[in-house]
Amino acid sequence: EAQVTQNPRYLITVTGKKLTVTCSQNMNHEYMSWYRQDPGLGLRQIYYSMNVEVTDKGDVPEGYKVSRKEKRNFPLILESPSPNQTSLYFCASSLRDSYNEQFFGPGTRLTVL
Amino acid sequence: AQSVTQLGSHVSVSEGALVLLRCNYSSSVPPYLFWYVQYPNQGLQLLLKYTSAATLVKGINGFEAEFKKSETSFHLTKPSAHMSDAAEYFCAVKTSYDKVIFGPGTSLSVIP
Repeated sequence: EAQVTQNPRYLITVTGKKLTVTCSQNMNHEYMSWYRQDPGLGLRQIYYSMNVEVTDKGDVPEGYKVSRKEKRNFPLILESPSPNQTSLYFCASSLRDSYNEQFFGPGTRLTVL
Repeated sequence: AQSVTQLGSHVSVSEGALVLLRCNYSSSVPPYLFWYVQYPNQGLQLLLKYTSAATLVKGINGFEAEFKKSETSFHLTKPSAHMSDAAEYFCAVKTSYDKVIFGPGTSLSVIP
């Protein structure tokens, strides 16, 4: 089954404790992206990647890191989480061309205390 | 710069009534436009997309949307609402391979 998977689905942590949210897709998509969803703000892009070893900042990259060592994986790293990073996070992937829609993972709900 | 506005953060309709969710965009180049739906505790899934082939686009679950360049709009409609349509709906605009802008979303409630 073609899908985007994320782990964990739910995470409660404390300020300053490094964490990684994994994202994996099995559709051989070149493009992958991370979003955060907050009430009233829709989805805001954190980072994206056009292909292996190619990443770039989205609209809200502060406090996040990413890497793209393999085509299928695109982990999101929070080196020192803060309470304002409490949010619902989505990973998405697509083929590269502009007219292609994105396929989304199920989401990771993160709470930083 | 691109932007997307969705008029009405919450819309309520009666079961069987017309659904109309509004989306207006701002773009300096011809855009690709998308509607996504998010059911509770799930990720987003594509409802339909406009890629310049036809201005009236039909999607899944009986939804359709019409691209109106003069109004910079891409409103989503469904003739008859069903209880299962209750969800969050997002309009999105894409003008290049690397940038997608999402609207703030409209939560649709369907009243029995």
